[in-house]
Amino acid sequence: AQSVTQPDIHITVSEGASLELRCNYSYGATPYLFWYVQSPGQGLQLLLKYFSGDTLVQGIKGFEAEFKRSQSSFNLRKPSVHWSDAAEYFCAVGAGFSGGYNKLIFGAGTRLAVHP
Amino acid sequence: EAQVTQNPRYLITVTGKKLTVTCSQNMNHEYMSWYRQDPGLGLRQIYYSMNVEVTDKGDVPEGYKVSRKEKRNFPLILESPSPNQTSLYFCASSSDSQREAFFGQGTRLTVV
Repeated sequence: AQSVTQPDIHITVSEGASLELRCNYSYGATPYLFWYVQSPGQGLQLLLKYFSGDTLVQGIKGFEAEFKRSQSSFNLRKPSVHWSDAAEYFCAVGAGFSGGYNKLIFGAGTRLAVHP
Repeated sequence: EAQVTQNPRYLITVTGKKLTVTCSQNMNHEYMSWYRQDPGLGLRQIYYSMNVEVTDKGDVPEGYKVSRKEKRNFPLILESPSPNQTSLYFCASSSDSQREAFFGQGTRLTVV
């Protein structure tokens, strides 16, 4: 079955520290992969996406993610976290049919807290 | 400004009272979807639409209806809401099946 697993429900880091949020997916075809961020009371904002090509993708707000097909992973990283990065982060895979997708399958989310 | 607009943002209603949550996008997108977000479960797709008059069930369609009479609008209808439909609802749109989805601000629904 298609699924996305985010093993860490909560993560706390100090401001200025590096960050890695884990994401593993289960999907038979070449995946369309996404990371979204949800700030309190807000909708979902796209951080970055992977469709094909270079497996290291850059996103907004200084985030990057690396697609590793052999590990079925798409981990999100940031070298230096800012207090404003405190939010909930969702990994998602586009699913539905070959060559495209008609739905997103989301992980349960990782809530990030940032200590000053 | 390109956006997906949902209304209302917050709604408290009683069991069995029909309600509609509206969704409108101004990007001329073909694809639109509804998701519900529940703690520990992430977001799950309720219904989606690939074009006007074309809709299909997602993973959790029970208790919901949708329609797509115009390209820009995709309302979510709860004919007889129940407390287990208390949730945070998001509408999303994308230009086609190979592009990222843009999300609305969400509608927090409470059914008592």
